[in-house]
Amino acid sequence: DAKTTQPPSMDCAEGRAANLPCNHSTISGNEYVYWYRQIHSQGPQYIIHGLKNNETNEMASLIITEDRKSSTLILPHATLRDTAVYYCIVRVAGIIQGAQKLVFGQGTRLTINP
Amino acid sequence: KAGVTQTPRYLIKTRGQQVTLSCSPISGHRSVSWYQQTPGQGLQFLFEYFSETQRNKGNFPGRFSGRQFSNSRSEMNVSTLELGDSALYLCASSLGGGGTYEQYFGPGTRLTVT
Repeated sequence: DAKTTQPPSMDCAEGRAANLPCNHSTISGNEYVYWYRQIHSQGPQYIIHGLKNNETNEMASLIITEDRKSSTLILPHATLRDTAVYYCIVRVAGIIQGAQKLVFGQGTRLTINP
Repeated sequence: KAGVTQTPRYLIKTRGQQVTLSCSPISGHRSVSWYQQTPGQGLQFLFEYFSETQRNKGNFPGRFSGRQFSNSRSEMNVSTLELGDSALYLCASSLGGGGTYEQYFGPGTRLTVT
């Protein structure tokens, strides 16, 4: 089962910052938080990941709370092309060392409005 | 670098038949994972292969199987197809080492079982 909780949908105006929250209250100390997004009918696209420090790349910023029980993905200047389903995932280790899988929840459907 | 490619992109099969889907990972990536996406269940992990060995497996029946070749290309096979196997099948590749890594998804194969 997915270990994250996200709002099912959100709206954001074009050009504004989109802030997508995620709750992962049962995260373990060595588990990372990953964010992916899926634009309609395409494969999921990796956005960013982090362990406990805030992270930033060319796509987004990831803010993780000090207790690591929640995080926020920030798209600084949302465009219409950012309309997608956003998945917050806690990386689950497999039974063999190094083996990992992504457990997807239902995600947040983000709609960017003109 | 070329992305993850999947063939075929679309497939229609009849109940009871079997099907083989193919995935070519990004050059240099040694791990290939497979996921099934349906409207009802969302994205679900099928299995992961690394260096020709299955090292992680999801909760799917034995009708679903896979393999990986020495060049890291992977195939998944579904035998005795059921109507419920209609789905988007996604392949993702990654470096696959013991540290953190991102998975890069292909466009998927849309399988319809009639």
